[in-house]
Formats: sequence, structure tokens, C-alpha cells
Amino acid sequence: KNEVEQSPQNLTAQEGEFITINCSYSVGISALHWLQQHPGGGIVSLFMLSSGKKKHGRLIATINIQEKHSSLHITASHPRDSAVYICAVRAYGGSQGNLIFGKGTKLSVKP
Amino acid sequence: KAGVTQTPRYLIKTRGQQVTLSCSPISGHRSVSWYQQTPGQGLQFLFEYFSETQRNKGNFPGRFSGRQFSNSRSEMNVSTLELGDSALYLCASSFSYNSPLHFGNGTRLTVT
Repeated sequence: KNEVEQSPQNLTAQEGEFITINCSYSVGISALHWLQQHPGGGIVSLFMLSSGKKKHGRLIATINIQEKHSSLHITASHPRDSAVYICAVRAYGGSQGNLIFGKGTKLSVKP
Repeated sequence: KAGVTQTPRYLIKTRGQQVTLSCSPISGHRSVSWYQQTPGQGLQFLFEYFSETQRNKGNFPGRFSGRQFSNSRSEMNVSTLELGDSALYLCASSFSYNSPLHFGNGTRLTVT
């Protein structure tokens, strides 16, 4: 079982829809990152969270440390949001300090 | 402010050769980390350096190594290349250990 699980793997939405991507992890963490990767490879860091909630424009990220779960929400989705969204955690314990990545969620927003 | 620069962008090598990839972090960033991305395995952590010291290492064979210089620039080396080493290699810099990551555009390595 992967230490970081994302759902869904693929997501197709219509422009304007509210989108939620989920990330569950099984290790103790010091921080969780949400990343965006567009075709061509470039990765952009969207959020780094250790507790609570953060908002940037139409993007909102939340984390529940007790439940080991984080969500990334996109409000009023737009075709330019089409990308792969990747959750990564910085682990404690046996892999202390290592970044562990989810497999990513491929989002396609149709006009 | 210039972003994270990785060189070269593309590289083709033959099995058994070795390769060195370079990463120049954002000015003022002291932490540099390296990642391998393949279609099958996704993104995997290779290692992380902070102020010239390797802080963490992922689960890769000893053929993968790296170093960081006093100006925070970093290099990673892969010796005795295998076909399975074909991948996109990404580096990221951050101001400190638990700060947001800034990624370079990557080096795409093809081993034939």
C-alpha cells in the first residue's frame, strides 16, 4: 500500500465546476505540499501546509492532521487549471525528512 | 529573481556511462533536493542537501550520488547507467528545510 494515496486518479470537469482532490497518508508528517504539473513537466508549488487551511485565489487547501487527510479545492474551474495535481508529504519516522509523493490526479477542465 | 536552473535540459547516454546533472538554486536558497520522475513510478525523492550537507536520502542505489557546493549549487551523478535510469530529473530549491519548494524545468535523460 502506498504511503500517500490520492483520489481520484483522473477527473474531468466542466468549466465553472467546483473541484475537490483528496490526499490521504499513513505516516507522521511535518508538512504537506500540493504541487501542479503542466504538460511539458514544469512543477509549481501551490501550497505547503502543516495545519488548518490556506487560500490562494481560486485554490483552497485544507489538512486534518488527526485524520491524516488533505484536500485541494478549485472553485470556478477553468480550462487553464487542466494539469496533474500532486500531493507530497515530508515524513517523520523511518523515512524521516524524506518527501513521499502521491501518484497524482490528472484534471481536465472542458470549456 | 532568477528561478531554479537545471542543465542540461536533454541528455542521451549509453548504458554503462556516467552522467552529471547540475542545478543552480534561487539566490539565497540553501536547500536543494533532487527527484526522479518516470511514467511508471511517478515522482520519487533522491536526496536533499542543506548548507553542503546531505540531509536526507531516498531509496536509490549507490550509483546515484550528489553534492552541494558552498554557493548552494548542486550536482547529481549517476554512474554505470542502466536503461531504467531514463527519466526526468528535477531539482528544487527552498529557503530552508521546511519551506515551499521551487522546481527547475528538469533534465530529461535517455539511456540507450
